[in-house]
Amino acid sequence: DVKVTQSSRYLVKRTGEKVFLECVQDMDHENMFWYRQDPGLGLRLIYFSYDVKMKEKGDIPEGYSVSREKKERFSLILESASTNQTSMYLCASSSSGRLMGNEQFFGPGTRLTVL
Amino acid sequence: AQTVTQSQPEMSVQEAETVTLSCTYDTSENNYYLFWYKQPPSRQMILVIRQEAYKQQNATENRFSVNFQKAAKSFSLKISDSQLGDTAMYFCAFHGGSQGNLIFGKGTKLSVKP
Repeated sequence: DVKVTQSSRYLVKRTGEKVFLECVQDMDHENMFWYRQDPGLGLRLIYFSYDVKMKEKGDIPEGYSVSREKKERFSLILESASTNQTSMYLCASSSSGRLMGNEQFFGPGTRLTVL
Repeated sequence: AQTVTQSQPEMSVQEAETVTLSCTYDTSENNYYLFWYKQPPSRQMILVIRQEAYKQQNATENRFSVNFQKAAKSFSLKISDSQLGDTAMYFCAFHGGSQGNLIFGKGTKLSVKP
């Protein structure tokens, strides 16, 4: 089975802190994604990556950055956390580059609270 | 830009009955995929069903089926013989064109009542 894991299920941070959210997948997938999920807003894409060391901005990249040094790992970084970044963060991965129709496999999510 | 609309924020259904969740989308693409994902309470999001726009036949996965109306840009999910384990958030998603990522609707919270 494809497995996508995220480093924390729950995280509490203070305003201004630098926050790292880690995601690891074990199926050699090329594509990895970071979404945030908020009630009434669905899932919104923050950043995605098609390959190691490459990244592309999604719909809401402001206040975030990402790192993909290894194929299996995709990190989301909040450079200076703010209260409006309190949310559920979901990582996902999928195979085969830019081909359409490939299933995305999701991690369990990290619920981040910024105080 | 592509958009996905789910007009029913919440729905409920009695166990063993049938329920239909609505989804409409907007695109100028000819080839694309549509998905329904399920997110049970406190559990991971999983794929329920997938439909390619070029296929005429509606996709079916056990108790889950879709009604894909390409001209109307409608993609509804029918759940037959609803079970308590079907209680979840359901997200409709679009994948097409030059985008590598999915476009999600805002979700429908489905409650199955005993």
